[in-house]
Parts: sequence; structure tokens; C-alpha cells
Amino acid sequence: DQQVKQNSPSLSVQEGRISILNCDYTNSMFDYFLWYKKYPAEGPTFLISISSIKDKNEDGRFTVFLNKSAKHLSLHIVPSQPGDSAVYFCAASLDGGSQGNLIFGKGTKLSVKP
Amino acid sequence: GAVVSQHPSRVICKSGTSVKIECRSLDFQATTMFWYRQFPKQSLMLMATSNEGSKATYEQGVEKDKFLINHASLTLSTLTVTSAHPEDSSFYICSARDRDRFYGYTFGSGTRLTVV
Repeated sequence: DQQVKQNSPSLSVQEGRISILNCDYTNSMFDYFLWYKKYPAEGPTFLISISSIKDKNEDGRFTVFLNKSAKHLSLHIVPSQPGDSAVYFCAASLDGGSQGNLIFGKGTKLSVKP
Repeated sequence: GAVVSQHPSRVICKSGTSVKIECRSLDFQATTMFWYRQFPKQSLMLMATSNEGSKATYEQGVEKDKFLINHASLTLSTLTVTSAHPEDSSFYICSARDRDRFYGYTFGSGTRLTVV
């Protein structure tokens, strides 16, 4: 049973618009969430994270929202740029992210069209 | 920023042979490195946690005798797939955490293993 789910395998957005990537989880004990971006033939790159004690974290064009009651988090990218086209992974941790045992979703492929 | 170098990026080997994958942290020390595996259209799954100077910790269902991990220094961890079989064909990727950064694990570029 998958504990971290990214139900949309792909998403297409026009340049300049907002991209919203969603992630659902089943384990209420998760206390730290991370988003990674992955280009083809490269390893995932850390993007942004959020602790379970917060409901929002913002870093430039990227904002992550956490809704603990719904066990849902989302990554907002605004404005979207063609260079944002990549696969985005949502990951969750049970130990504040300190031990590296990250549980990943399957990823969502974002395509930003010029 | 922190860089993790992983080699080789692609390897094709015959069934029954062993393959070694290296993971190096280039500009930071990593007391702990992590090895993941990803099958097509699946999530990255943690296989094992590699600790410098001690035995690796394997996740449930991962055969420690088949996937040998050695973390001999603060900058190098190796994963050896022994007696590889076609079902071991997968994408293997390592990550490490810079001791000076609390969050954000730096990943290697991954190794595509194909066993024929």
C-alpha cells in the first residue's frame, strides 16, 4: 500500500500560469515533507520542504501548502516557466527528515509550454 | 552547493555477474548515504542506509547478501549487486545529506542497470 500518492502522472501548463502539483498521504505520523524535481538522466534535486507544524512554506516562485486534516499537500509554482518542466516527486519522512528514510510518491511530470 | 557523483550512469551486465556502483560526495562529508531503487513507473524505494565505518541497515525485503554496501570513508559508498539477475534491472540512485544542512538530501545522477 502506497503511503505517499501523486495521483496525476502528468500535468501540462502554459508558461506564466500557475502549476499546482498535488500529493496525498495516508500516514498521519509523517512529520516532514519534501518536494524534489528531477530532469531526465539526473538525480532528484531538492526544491522545498515543510514541517508538519506549519501549513505553508514559500521560497521564491515555489510555495508548498500542507493540509494535515486532509493529509494533503500541494506545490504551487507561479509563474511557471519552461525550465520548470521536469518530474516532481513528493516525499515524506517519519523522523523530521533527519535519517533519510524518505517515502516517495511516483512523481508527476510537469510540462510547461511556451 | 553539495554534489554527489554516482558512477556508472549506465551498465549492462550478464546474468550471474556482479556490478559495483559508486557514490561520492564531492564537496562535503556524508556520514550517512542512502541507496534507492526505482522500477519503471514506481516510486523511489529506499533499499538501505549506509553508515560510514559500520554495517549498512537494510529495509525489509532487501537481501543484504545480494546488495553489498560498503561505506569506507566519509565521501564514498559503494553498492555491489552480486550475482545479478534480470529482475535486478532497475534504476539505482544514492543520496547523501550534508552534515551542515538539516534538510534536503543531495542525490546522485543514478545508475541504470540492465541485466541480460
